[in-house]
Amino acid sequence: KAGVTQTPRYLIKTRGQQVTLSCSPISGHRSVSWYQQTPGQGLQFLFEYFSETQRNKGNFPGRFSGRQFSNSRSEMNVSTLELGDSALYLCASSTTGPGGEKLFFGSGTQLSVL
Amino acid sequence: GNSVTQMEGPVTLSEEAFLTINCTYTATGYPSLFWYVQYPGEGLQLLLKATKADDKGSNKGFEATYRKETTSFHLEKGSVQVSDSAVYFCALSGDSNYQLIWGAGTKLIIKP
Repeated sequence: KAGVTQTPRYLIKTRGQQVTLSCSPISGHRSVSWYQQTPGQGLQFLFEYFSETQRNKGNFPGRFSGRQFSNSRSEMNVSTLELGDSALYLCASSTTGPGGEKLFFGSGTQLSVL
Repeated sequence: GNSVTQMEGPVTLSEEAFLTINCTYTATGYPSLFWYVQYPGEGLQLLLKATKADDKGSNKGFEATYRKETTSFHLEKGSVQVSDSAVYFCALSGDSNYQLIWGAGTKLIIKP
C-alpha cells in the first residue's frame, strides 16, 4: 500500500506570492489533516478534512486555506506569503480522524519564503 | 482549552541508560494520548497510544501510562540505543477526534 504522498518536496517563494501544496492520502483514508512544523513553535494544527468537509480548523489567519477532493486528495493554499510562513508543512491521513487512531504522515513540503 | 507540556530538550544520554521524557496535559473530557516519533530524515510515526485512564501503551521497548490523577503520560524506556535518537512528540486528542494537540517535541540524543 502506498504511503502518504506530498508534493512538492521543496518550495522557494518570495513574500507576497501564493503557494499550493498537495497531499495524496493512503488509499481508503477519508481524513486528511495538515500541520505546520517550525523549530520554534513545534507542530501546529492547521485543519482537518473528512469526505470533502472541513471539520476543524486551527488558529491560523485566513491566508491559510484548504480543500479536499472526492478522491480524498487534499490541497492547502497560502496566499500573500510572509517570511514567517517558512516551515515544514506536513499532512497526515487516517480512516476516521486524527484523534481517534493512528495517523500516517507524509514526508512534508519544506517551504522557504524569501 | 486542551494543552500539552513536554520537557524541553535536547536530552542527551549514554547508550543503555534509562529514559524518561515527561509529558503533562490539561484537558476536558477523556482524551486519548499519543507519543509520536520523528527519526532523522523520516516522517512522523506513531510510537504508542493510550485511550483511557490507567491504560499502558507500549512499543519497541517504550512504555507510557495514562495517569489521570497526575494528568501525565511520561515516556520511558529501560535501556536506550543509539538508534532511538529522534524527536519525540506527546499529543492528545482535542474535544473531538478531529484534531490532535501537540507538545513542543523533545529531541533525544543517545551517545555510544
